[in-house]
Amino acid sequence: EVQLVQSGAEVKKPGESLKISCNGSGYSIINYWIGWVRQMPGKGLELMGIIYPADSETRYSPSFQGQVTISVDKSINTAYLQWTSLKASDTAMYYCARPGRSGWYFDLWGRGTLVTVSS
Amino acid sequence: DIQMTQSPPSLSASVGDRVTITCRASQDINNYLAWYQQNPGKVPKLLIYAASTLQSGVPSRFSGSGSGTDFTLTISSLRPEDVATYYCQKYDRVPYTFGQGTKLEIK
Repeated sequence: EVQLVQSGAEVKKPGESLKISCNGSGYSIINYWIGWVRQMPGKGLELMGIIYPADSETRYSPSFQGQVTISVDKSINTAYLQWTSLKASDTAMYYCARPGRSGWYFDLWGRGTLVTVSS
Repeated sequence: DIQMTQSPPSLSASVGDRVTITCRASQDINNYLAWYQQNPGKVPKLLIYAASTLQSGVPSRFSGSGSGTDFTLTISSLRPEDVATYYCQKYDRVPYTFGQGTKLEIK
């Protein structure tokens, strides 16, 4: 079965760093873009950025440029979302998702990684 | 950037009702519009893409229409499992913005 498997929930303190992962299972992620979507508690969906694993081309949404880093390790079929210094406002559910064959809509989603940042 | 505005923000309807949710883009996005359903506590699920193409496996009571700036998602006969928040998303060009969501409840 083709799926995106995300790493488990994280509880961190403000100022700490974090890297969460999204592993492609049942398919090779190399030739498929992968996106990261944030959902803050009780709020809507926000696309943070997308990456093309074959060449690591990355596009960030303006609100997230410079705030996070999206990367990929092709050798283990995994994409990452990383923070160097977390803030309480980074508390959210983070989904990875794969765009469809004919456009930048997302037809395959991971189950989400809940990140809680609290002192 | 193009803004996506959904209406209404929330609605309540009875089982069997016909339900319509609207999404308006601040500029022409052709038909580059998708709809998602997010049941409470669940992962978003793609319902429709290209404004009117039903994703495989999605019940036929869901339909989408529109082009340019005005789009609608219609549920022809509401079922209890349709309780969810529905989001539109434009994908003509970056940023691929989502609407703010419409929360659908059962009366």
